[in-house]
Amino acid sequence: DSGVTQTPKHLITATGQRVTLRCSPRSGDLSVYWYQQSLDQGLQFLIQYYNGEERAKGNILERFSAQQFPDLHSELNLSSLELGDSALYFCASSADRGNTDTQYFGPGTRLTVL
Amino acid sequence: AQKITQTQPGMFVQEKEAVTLDCTYDTSDPSYGLFWYKQPSSGEMIFLIYQGSYDQQNATEGRYSLNFQKARKSANLVISASQLGDSAMYFCAMREWDNAGNMLTFGGGTRLMVKP
Repeated sequence: DSGVTQTPKHLITATGQRVTLRCSPRSGDLSVYWYQQSLDQGLQFLIQYYNGEERAKGNILERFSAQQFPDLHSELNLSSLELGDSALYFCASSADRGNTDTQYFGPGTRLTVL
Repeated sequence: AQKITQTQPGMFVQEKEAVTLDCTYDTSDPSYGLFWYKQPSSGEMIFLIYQGSYDQQNATEGRYSLNFQKARKSANLVISASQLGDSAMYFCAMREWDNAGNMLTFGGGTRLMVKP
């Protein structure tokens, strides 16, 4: 158990809908990262938050947005869903201190868009 | 160009044998970190081992070791005494310190299958 929790574990929805994925980081970790794993794109970085502020953005679509709350949990919002958004979405967290900083991943949320 | 390349899509190894999973990387940043993660069929990503670009010695964690060859830009994972539970996808990843954030760039992965 990495200490990172994600809910829900599975999500099935229809095209055009909006969903929210939730992540709680490990105790003491200030950074939260979101990654998408799909068959065609592999594992891709979406966005990073550090202590409530957006720090870095990757290949995140405009239909997607995220935030990190004062208690450090984070939510990833996916809207106007398309079939191609079906993927495994991971949240990871790290203390973000020094060169040896390691990201620990949650169990993932498997999103299926029908 | 691919930043992380894993050239072996799939590999078989006999139980109790050692196996090497290849990873090459491409960066112009002198300061970077290399990571290996394991993804079993259940889907979670499990951190295995880390190597920093300035580390003088190869990293080791139990049965896992990292064969770091900086001049060749390779960071191969060696698993000794393979066990059936080692069957999984393995991903090599890199973090470059030039980036504003600490995001990881992943390779395409290698599926390891351990034969009894």
